[in-house]
Amino acid sequence: QKEVEQNSGPLSVPEGAIASLNCTYSDRGSQSFFWYRQYSGKSPELIMFIYSNGDKEDGRFTAQLNKASQYVSLLIRDSQPSDSATYLCAVNIGAGGGNKLTFGTGTQLKVEL
Amino acid sequence: GAVVSQHPSWVICKSGTSVKIECRSLDFQATTMFWYRQFPKQSLMLMATSNEGSKATYEQGVEKDKFLINHASLTLSTLTVTSAHPEDSSFYICSAFRPAGEKLFFGSGTQLSVL
Repeated sequence: QKEVEQNSGPLSVPEGAIASLNCTYSDRGSQSFFWYRQYSGKSPELIMFIYSNGDKEDGRFTAQLNKASQYVSLLIRDSQPSDSATYLCAVNIGAGGGNKLTFGTGTQLKVEL
Repeated sequence: GAVVSQHPSWVICKSGTSVKIECRSLDFQATTMFWYRQFPKQSLMLMATSNEGSKATYEQGVEKDKFLINHASLTLSTLTVTSAHPEDSSFYICSAFRPAGEKLFFGSGTQLSVL
């Protein structure tokens, strides 16, 4: 079992719709969870981070964390073509794991006009 | 602006030569920096953790004698790919941990092509 799993996609949504990206992780001791966006040929950029169970909203983005289910998701409201990218879920594996992140393989999102 | 600067953005070299990649944190001191490698359509794979003033910690399967890491100051880490071969061609990305806010920032990446 991979430590951080994501559906590779592509996930296609129409412009203006809500895109829902999902991620599961294996280590129950994980404390910190991050979503990065990566455009082709570019390095990842941080979109959201979440530490506590529940929802965290930032503009059009909402991160949701459920530690009991070992599940973290990212919702993108009013999706725009510029949101088309690969979204990487990253987890700080294990309590006291320091700053080392383990990345999922990413989900490719395509927002269609 | 960018908080982590990585140079060069791309490099083409002949097989057998060495390539040095620099990673700088621009407006904060980074005691820990990370080096990743990413092959096309794959995720980031952590190669090593670079600690200022001490030896780097390498992930399993990464040759420390081939991928030399130096973290001589709180703002600079370098990765040298020694005796590069075509299979080393990849996208190399550094990241730096900013203690304030506990966030990880990435450099812009280096596309290495070994002929």
